[in-house]
Amino acid sequence: TQLLEQSPQFLSIQEGENLTVYCNSSSVFSSLQWYRQEPGEGPVLLVTVVTGGEVKKLKRLTFQFGDARKDSSLHITAAQTGDTGLYLCADSGGGADGLTFGKGTHLIIQP
Amino acid sequence: DAGVIQSPRHEVTEMGQEVTLRCKPISGHNSLFWYRQTMMRGLELLIYFNNNVPIDDSGMPEDRFSAKMPNASFSTLKIQPSEPRDSAVYFCASSLGFEQFFGPGTRLTVL
Repeated sequence: TQLLEQSPQFLSIQEGENLTVYCNSSSVFSSLQWYRQEPGEGPVLLVTVVTGGEVKKLKRLTFQFGDARKDSSLHITAAQTGDTGLYLCADSGGGADGLTFGKGTHLIIQP
Repeated sequence: DAGVIQSPRHEVTEMGQEVTLRCKPISGHNSLFWYRQTMMRGLELLIYFNNNVPIDDSGMPEDRFSAKMPNASFSTLKIQPSEPRDSAVYFCASSLGFEQFFGPGTRLTVL
C-alpha cells in the first residue's frame, strides 16, 4: 500500500514570506497531483506532474517533481492571505482510478 | 455550469440509524468517486464507479457501507447501522479524465 507523507503538518507564516512544503511517497508515483482545500469545501486541483524532474509554475506557486518520481515540493513566493488552506498531494494512479492522498499541510498566512 | 452536488450538507444522527448521502455528478462525467475525510486518517477513497459500474470498493470499511449508482446522474452512499466512528466529512467527486472535481462534502455526525 502506497503511503504519502507530507511535511510540515502545520505551517503559519506572515504575508509576504516564502515557504516550501513537501510530499514523499513510499513508492514511485504514477502521476502526482497537488490540490488545495479551503474550509467547508472540497479539494481543487492545482497541478498534475508526470515526468521526473518536471517543474511547473502557477503564478506564485512552483511545483517540482523529483527525478526518481518519489517526491515533490510546492514553493510559494510572497505568500498572501488567500493562500491559506490545506495543501494535499495525491497519486492519481492510472488516470481514471481513485486518488491516494497524503494527510496534507495546513497552511495559515497571517496578515 | 453546476459542479458536483451533494446532499445533505450536514447530517446529525444517532448511533444505529440509517444514513443516506446523495451525489449528483457533473453532467457528462463518466467516473464517480466517494471519499471520506477525518483528521486522523486524512482523505481516503471508499469506492469508485466507471460508467455506473462499481470498479473498486476495497476502501469500503465494513459491510455497513454500501454505494449505488443507478444512473449517470445520481449516486448514493448508505451506512446502516451508523456508528460514532463513522463521523467524518464524505466527499463525492466526478471526472472525465485525470482531473477530479469534488463536491462540497457532507459533514456526518453520529452521536
